[in-house]
Parts: sequence; C-alpha cells; structure tokens
Amino acid sequence: GENVEQHPSTLSVQEGDSAVIKCTYSDSASNYFPWYKQELGKGPQLIIDIRSNVGEKKDQRIAVTLNKTAKHFSLHITETQPEDSAVYFCAAPAPISSGSARQLTFGSGTQLTVLP
Amino acid sequence: NAGVTQTPKFQVLKTGQSMTLQCAQDMNHEYMSWYRQDPGMGLRLIHYSVGAGITDQGEVPNGYNVSRSTTEDFPLRLLSAAPSQTSVYFCASSSSGTHYGYTFGSGTRLTVV
Repeated sequence: GENVEQHPSTLSVQEGDSAVIKCTYSDSASNYFPWYKQELGKGPQLIIDIRSNVGEKKDQRIAVTLNKTAKHFSLHITETQPEDSAVYFCAAPAPISSGSARQLTFGSGTQLTVLP
Repeated sequence: NAGVTQTPKFQVLKTGQSMTLQCAQDMNHEYMSWYRQDPGMGLRLIHYSVGAGITDQGEVPNGYNVSRSTTEDFPLRLLSAAPSQTSVYFCASSSSGTHYGYTFGSGTRLTVV
C-alpha cells in the first residue's frame, strides 16, 4: 500500500518562530495531500489540503507545499502560537492497487509544542 | 448539526468479550471509515464503506466486523476482544463529492484487560 513517512516525530519551537513538518509518499499517482491537526482528547481535524495540480497553498499562517518530482509535501506554520501545540498528521490516498478505494493512509504524526 | 458521533467514549473489556462501537453521522455522507490510533503508528484503516450495503477491509481488519445498513450508521464490532485491540478508535465520514475531506468523530478509547 501507500507508504507515507512523516518527520520529525516531535518538534519544539519558540512562540513566534516557524515550524515545518515533512512527509514523503510512494505512489506517484497520488493526487491529494491533506494535513490534519489533533488536539488532546479530540479527533483529527482537517486544516489544509493540496491537490497535485498546484505547488503551494496558503491559509493565513499555514501553508502546504508539494514537490511531485521528489514525492514529498510539507506543512509550514508561521508565527506559531501556543494554541498551535497539537499532533499533526499528513496523509495520502492509498494506491488503487491496494483495493482500498483510495482511502487515506496517514503518516505517524508529529507532536508540535510551541513554547511561550 | 452533530457531525460524526461516536459512543461510548471510554470502554474497558475483558479478554474474550465482544462489543460494538457505535458511529453515526448526520451529514448524508456516502463514505465512512474506521481507524485505530496507536502510539507512534498514526491512524490505520480497519474497515470502510462507500455506501449503504457496501463494506470492505482496510489495512488491519482482523478481529473486527462492520455493517452498513443505513447511510447514517457504521458500527464496528469486536468479536472476541484481545489486549492487542487496546487502542483509540476513530470513525470518519466524507462525501463522494469531496472524497477526502474527512470529518472525524471524537474517538472511543478502548482498553482490553
């Protein structure tokens, strides 16, 4: 199936600094790459996504970049705030060959801590 | 608009017991999925459904059954609980129009002793 690798597993930044989380994927046919934020005790929530026909997408302080050639995509958070502290997951659709109707395969998660 | 509702929020089972985790959505979404979340392993797909009456296996289906008799409900059954099934379980739904725009429930934390 799709192999989605996510790094780093933990990330600590000072408030106001930027944070970058990277993911790589294996299926060159993948065309959709979402990022989810999971706060303690809650389910993951979609925060931004990108399709393979664009290289970058921004939404206020968050952005996602995609490099199709290298098969990796990244989440960028600028001007971090304590409320950005959470676990972040990247994901990509499972390959058609996996038989999973393109359900999402998730990375292992990044625990982001923003220090005040 | 409740979104995706999971019950119960917490459950402790003894090895060998069976139980059903409930999931309901009120968004008329066609797609529903069950994931389990374990430390350091992200979210792994257990079973999914692309519409009422249609279900299929995901990455880690052993020990679990599902059914989809209505669009709204997608229960997950543990047939004979094992300690390896201790995990946090999430149900998610999405519409066919935005296939990947998952809405997740708040999860069920299951402990098998």
